[in-house]
Amino acid sequence: RKEVEQDPGPFNVPEGATVAFNCTYSNSASQSFFWYRQDCRKEPKLLMSVYSSGNEDGRFTAQLNRASQYISLLIRDSKLSDSATYLCAVMTASGTYKYIFGTGTRLKVLA
Amino acid sequence: DTAVSQTPKYLVTQMGNDKSIKCEQNLGHDTMYWYKQDSKKFLKIMFSYNNKELIINETVPNRFSPKSPDKAHLNLHINSLELGDSAVYFCASSSTGREQYFGPGTRLTVT
Repeated sequence: RKEVEQDPGPFNVPEGATVAFNCTYSNSASQSFFWYRQDCRKEPKLLMSVYSSGNEDGRFTAQLNRASQYISLLIRDSKLSDSATYLCAVMTASGTYKYIFGTGTRLKVLA
Repeated sequence: DTAVSQTPKYLVTQMGNDKSIKCEQNLGHDTMYWYKQDSKKFLKIMFSYNNKELIINETVPNRFSPKSPDKAHLNLHINSLELGDSAVYFCASSSTGREQYFGPGTRLTVT
């Protein structure tokens, strides 16, 4: 089993739709969680950190479920500009801080 | 006002050559990383330095040698390049245990 898993997609959704992605992780000792956005041929850019109580940034909502070991990202009112690959990252501290990335979920928002 | 910069952006070279990639961050972070993203888009950690000290060294051929002259710089030297080294190499930085910020990437093509 991979340490961090994501559905690769693509998720094709119409503009204005709500879409959600999940990311599961295997190490129960994982401490911090992040969502990144990566556009084609660009670097990953931090979208948001994921806090235990869940957090929202505009149209984006991130949730953490420690019991089931997954994080989620919800995008409301999708825009064409949201089309990208969304990577989750999980940080574990055991001696050193180690970040493991999922392979990403590709989102296409269609006009 | 670039936060994490890398040079060169593109590198095309022949098998057997030696090449270097340079990375600089002006965010005041104490930890820097090298990642490799292959054609399947999987982002894999290679090395991590904290305050110039190597703290993560994943299973990477010893043809790859990182060097951190100071907290703000992390270089990657690759000897005897092979076809399988073709990938995008990303530098990243973070404060210890916090979110990472990525450079624009170096697209390496070995012919």
